[in-house]
Amino acid sequence: EIVLTQSPDFQSVTPKEKVTITCRASQYFGTMLHWYQQKPDQSPKLLIKFTSQSISGVPSRFSGRGSGTDFTLTINGLEAEDAATYYCHQSGSLPYTFGQGTKLEI
Amino acid sequence: QMQLVESGGGLVKPGGSLRLSCAASGFTFSDHYMSWMRQAPGKGLEWVAHISSTDSSTYYADSVKGRFTISRDNAKSSLYLQMNSLRAEDTAVYYCARAPSKDVWGQGTTVTVSS
Repeated sequence: EIVLTQSPDFQSVTPKEKVTITCRASQYFGTMLHWYQQKPDQSPKLLIKFTSQSISGVPSRFSGRGSGTDFTLTINGLEAEDAATYYCHQSGSLPYTFGQGTKLEI
Repeated sequence: QMQLVESGGGLVKPGGSLRLSCAASGFTFSDHYMSWMRQAPGKGLEWVAHISSTDSSTYYADSVKGRFTISRDNAKSSLYLQMNSLRAEDTAVYYCARAPSKDVWGQGTTVTVSS
């Protein structure tokens, strides 16, 4: 099973700040790495798919990149509405797995 | 617009069974693989099961293998999760989502396993 380890677990940030969340995989699985945002009592929302592909309707301040076993989600110019928990997820190798989550407090 | 609506959650005793449903609309359901995920109270997301578009291939997390069965009815644009031998640790909100990137999620249905 591929273990996805996110860092940090928690981060207190201020508006307009640039934030980078890292997702490190225990082994290579390709580029099927996706990022989600989840706010309390809501379903997860897809932000980035297949490592770096943007999603229609998602603000352009969210971007993703990665290679090998290291992936990052960057939020450029944080806004108050970005307070949430962020998860990475790999669907390249069964069993599919999620990172433990990164909570951003603004 | 694209939508997934889960139903069937509830309170069940340990050892009991429950069948969850997920109704899809706004897209061609039969073209897409589908997945179930769950989230225990206060915890992170866990992938549970996955089914191919034609129902020929199914995959499960080890935590549910042999107890849960994923299925679909493309004519009804519906996804199902039959859950047997339920345990307290199966208590969670269960979500269906369109695979592989989980770009569309349902609102979730709550399953509580307790005596």
